[in-house]
Amino acid sequence: QSALTQPASVSGSPGQSITISCTGTRNDVGLYNYISWYQQHPGKAPKLLIFDVSDRPSGLSNRFSGSKSGNTASLTISGLQPEDEAAYYCSSYTSSSTLVFGGGTKLTVL
Amino acid sequence: EVQLLESGGGLVRPGGSLRLSCPASGFSFNSFAMTWVRQAPGRGLEWVSGISDRGGSKYYAASVKGRFTISRDNSKNTLYLQMNSLRAEDTAVYYCAKDRGNGDYGVISFDSWGQGTLVTVSS
Repeated sequence: QSALTQPASVSGSPGQSITISCTGTRNDVGLYNYISWYQQHPGKAPKLLIFDVSDRPSGLSNRFSGSKSGNTASLTISGLQPEDEAAYYCSSYTSSSTLVFGGGTKLTVL
Repeated sequence: EVQLLESGGGLVRPGGSLRLSCPASGFSFNSFAMTWVRQAPGRGLEWVSGISDRGGSKYYAASVKGRFTISRDNSKNTLYLQMNSLRAEDTAVYYCAKDRGNGDYGVISFDSWGQGTLVTVSS
């Protein structure tokens, strides 16, 4: 199972919005709505941001939102803040009953 | 508060074995699937293995199938990963994580994570 494809890096200024894409195949992203997004700061464990394409865990800021179209899922962060600088990973359930992560995207807040 | 505390990592020679443990607290352990995710130094996340709430269903990444075995002891609220025939490419921080569901069809999204334990495979 190949990793989902994410851009290696994105950047934005405080207050702006950015979108990170996550491209898979018809056997994972395109087949199920079991897409999750995680945020990971250096040296820390990942944190769940989005599950089931667009749902947020209780208490999570609504600045984070998710969507999907065909084989591509997207994470949008609005109102960028300095603390959003981190790595972001998508994941998808697959037709083999396994899970696959994206390669990760490093977000830089300028 | 959910707590997951991995242990058992260390330095092992290629071909060797290690057993990771992850005692859990703060939630009803026997109601949720659990998973192992690893991260090689400077690299991204890689899903390794998952197990359903009662342990009846187990799932593995192709890269570890036949070498690693996931298990759980619900009486001890503990998740395990037995790693055999270790290779240099297995070197990584190994995280245990709690799934949001029971895992009857697979592991899907992980809402609590431990801090990880480092496994180094080197001669």
